[in-house]
Parts: sequence; C-alpha cells; structure tokens
Amino acid sequence: QKEVEQDPGPLSVPEGAIVSLNCTYSNSAFQYFMWYRQYSRKGPELLMYTYSSGNKEDGRFTAQVDKSSKYISLFIRDSQPSDSATYLCAMSAGGNNRLAFGKGNQVVVIP
Amino acid sequence: GAVVSQHPSRVICKSGTSVKIECRSLDFQATTMFWYRQFPKKSLMLMATSNEGSKATYEQGVEKDKFLINHASLTLSTLTVTSAHPEDSSFYICSARRSQGQHLNTEAFFGQGTRLTVV
Repeated sequence: QKEVEQDPGPLSVPEGAIVSLNCTYSNSAFQYFMWYRQYSRKGPELLMYTYSSGNKEDGRFTAQVDKSSKYISLFIRDSQPSDSATYLCAMSAGGNNRLAFGKGNQVVVIP
Repeated sequence: GAVVSQHPSRVICKSGTSVKIECRSLDFQATTMFWYRQFPKKSLMLMATSNEGSKATYEQGVEKDKFLINHASLTLSTLTVTSAHPEDSSFYICSARRSQGQHLNTEAFFGQGTRLTVV
C-alpha cells in the first residue's frame, strides 16, 4: 500500500461547479496536511496548510482533514478556468520528516 | 507566502556536459532544502535533502556522484547534474522550509522548476 493515494484524474468540470479532490493515507503519524497547485511546467504553489483534523477555509478553497479515516479533501467552489491545474496533496509527521506526496490530480475547468 | 527562486527555468545541454541549477530562498532562511525530480504526469520524486554546511542526504537509488548538491549558505543550494545523458532529461524542482531557530516549519515552498533537456 502506498503511503499516500491520490486519483490522478483527469477531472473535467464546467465553470462554476464545485471541484472535489481527495487523498487517503496509511501513516497515522501524519499531522500536517497540505494542498499544492501546480500549473504546467511550473513548480507547485502552496494552497492550503492544515494541522491535525478539521476544516480550513480560504476564499473559494476549503480543506478538510479526517484523521480517523485517514482522508483529506480539497473543495473548490465556483470553479474558474484559471483553476485548471494539477493539485497535489502532501503530508508530514512534522519536525524534520519529509513530505509525502500524492501523484497529483489534474483538473480541467471548462468555460 | 515565502519566495523560492530557481534558476534557470529551462536549459538544453549536450550529452556529457554538466549543468548547475540554483535554488535560492529570497526572504527567509532555509537550513534545509529539498531537490525533486518530476516525470510527466507523475508525482514529485525526492532525490536528496540538502543541509546547510553539511553533506546532502540522498534517497535510495540516486547517484550522489552524478547529482552533486552544495548548500553553501542559508539561502542557496545548488544541484549539478554531471556528465548529463538524455535519460537525465526531466523537470527538477527545489523546495525550502523556513527555519526559525531550532524549529523547522512543515510548510514547503517550491521553486519554479528547471526543465532540463539533454541532447
């Protein structure tokens, strides 16, 4: 079983729809959870950062963490064509531990 | 967010030559930087962890004599691909984590990436 599982997609949605992305993981030591957005041929950009379980909202983006189920989600409301990118989940046990990444999920928002 | 600058963004080199890629944290100190390689439609593959003032820690299967890493200061790490071959063609990305005293923040900030093509 891989440490972090993420469906690579692609996921196509019409403009204005809600985009729902998720990752599952196996390491119960993970405490820090991140979502990155990566445009083609660019480095990943940090979108959301969450510690432990709970929800976090930032504008049109909502991140959810359910540690009991080892499941994290990212929701994008009122999706825009500019949201078309690859979204990577990442997580860490903290301290000097490395980040574990999902494969990335390609999202296409159709105008 | 913090800014990490990676240079060059794109490089084409001849087989057998060496290429140096720079990674700078512009507005924070980073005692630890990471170098990744990314293949098309694949996730980031950690190559090595670069520690300021000490030797890099390489992941299993990564040739340390081929991918030379130097972390000479708190804001600069370099990756040199020595004697490059076409199979080294890839997207290389660095990232840095903020250091505050003894505390290493978990958030990682990434450079823009370097597209290396070896012909």
